[in-house]
Amino acid sequence: GAVVSQHPSWVICKSGTSVKIECRSLDFQATTMFWYRQFPKQSLMLMATSNEGSKATYEQGVEKDKFLINHASLTLSTLTVTSAHPEDSSFYICSAPDGQQRGNQPQHFGDGTRLSIL
Amino acid sequence: SQQGEEDPQALSIQEGENATMNCSYKTSINNLQWYRQNSGRGLVHLILIRSNEREKHSGRLRVTLDTSKKSSSLLITASRAADTASYFCATDASRNTGFQKLVFGTGTRLLVSP
Repeated sequence: GAVVSQHPSWVICKSGTSVKIECRSLDFQATTMFWYRQFPKQSLMLMATSNEGSKATYEQGVEKDKFLINHASLTLSTLTVTSAHPEDSSFYICSAPDGQQRGNQPQHFGDGTRLSIL
Repeated sequence: SQQGEEDPQALSIQEGENATMNCSYKTSINNLQWYRQNSGRGLVHLILIRSNEREKHSGRLRVTLDTSKKSSSLLITASRAADTASYFCATDASRNTGFQKLVFGTGTRLLVSP
């Protein structure tokens, strides 16, 4: 079945560092990918929709200059947390719908990245 | 917030028992999906039910959808310890935007004891 690979799975870094998270679709092309943030024991909150070859669409309240998204190819989207601070510590998850069909399709999720900012 | 709500927030049962989780949402939808998340991992798709469907089965899973009440339920029959996880419903209400944008419920943490 379709697989989405997310890397790294775990990052610990100092405050002020920028951190890049990669999301790859391994056996299918993904013109659209989604980035979520999840706090402990809470649900997933959509941060942005990543569109191949164009600008990402950010949800209300998400700072686009803080969370830079690049979707340069049909199999790779990256999320860069710039100048990270302790409050950015969270679990970040990406997903992608399979194939070119629109609507009524499940999404495939990466295994998530746990980001800890000291 | 457009986020859906699930209840119970947590459910603890014994192996062999059935587990029922409920989901309520706020807007008209194209479909509703259920996902499972093991601790510290990504989500795994379980089942998708379209807005014109009322019930769907997949193995030990049974999902119902009542669009008039904007609610859905997930039933896991003959539960196993390996079913221990968090379960989330997610609704797709995207309009004319192509790919779906999912809104997740608050989740139910299921603990199945041997």
